[in-house]
Amino acid sequence: DARVTQTPRHKVTEMGQEVTMRCQPILGHNTVFWYRQTMMQGLELLAYFRNRAPLDDSGMPKDRFSAEMPDATLATLKIQPSEPRDSAVYFCASGLENQPQHFGDGTRLSIL
Amino acid sequence: LAKTTQPISMDSYEGQEVNITCSHNNIATNDYITWYQQFPSQGPRFIIQGYKTKVTNEVASLFIPADRKSSTLSLPRVSLSDTAVYYCLVGDAEYGNKLVFGAGTILRVKS
Repeated sequence: DARVTQTPRHKVTEMGQEVTMRCQPILGHNTVFWYRQTMMQGLELLAYFRNRAPLDDSGMPKDRFSAEMPDATLATLKIQPSEPRDSAVYFCASGLENQPQHFGDGTRLSIL
Repeated sequence: LAKTTQPISMDSYEGQEVNITCSHNNIATNDYITWYQQFPSQGPRFIIQGYKTKVTNEVASLFIPADRKSSTLSLPRVSLSDTAVYYCLVGDAEYGNKLVFGAGTILRVKS
């Protein structure tokens, strides 16, 4: 089965450092989503793209978060500077219009 | 996007049929109903999606009444490995399938 691949799977870093999370969507999928999951807030949609263009990033703190798709095979989510409250599991999902999303297994981020 | 309401948790025993009902009173005409399953340390996994009436696949069935204000996920003969969190979502599939996750239902299957 084709899968969404996320790297790294785990990341531990100190407050203030830049964090970059990467996602390789399933080949041929034209929509990409970024989610954040915490115990308190559950799964929150941060941003999503269609055909590499950002359609909605209203769920993202704009001052420190940025999401891009340099090409169709790579989506990135950056946090700069990182803060302890950013500690969470970040999921990427991809899909096609009118089809369900497929999720990766996430990046577990810990900011000390 | 329509808000969904589902039970916080459910308990069952191996071999039983489990039905998880979700309410979505504000569902829109174009909204599809989608269910996901999530295990610890994994991303949500798609189970089933439907628009109306009944949909069945190899793992579950989805029952949707005519008014579409609720839906029921049916898992036949659950096993211990079905212990997970189950999410009900509604979203407009024609707009990138943007979905809003609720709290989900924790299903515990006991032996």
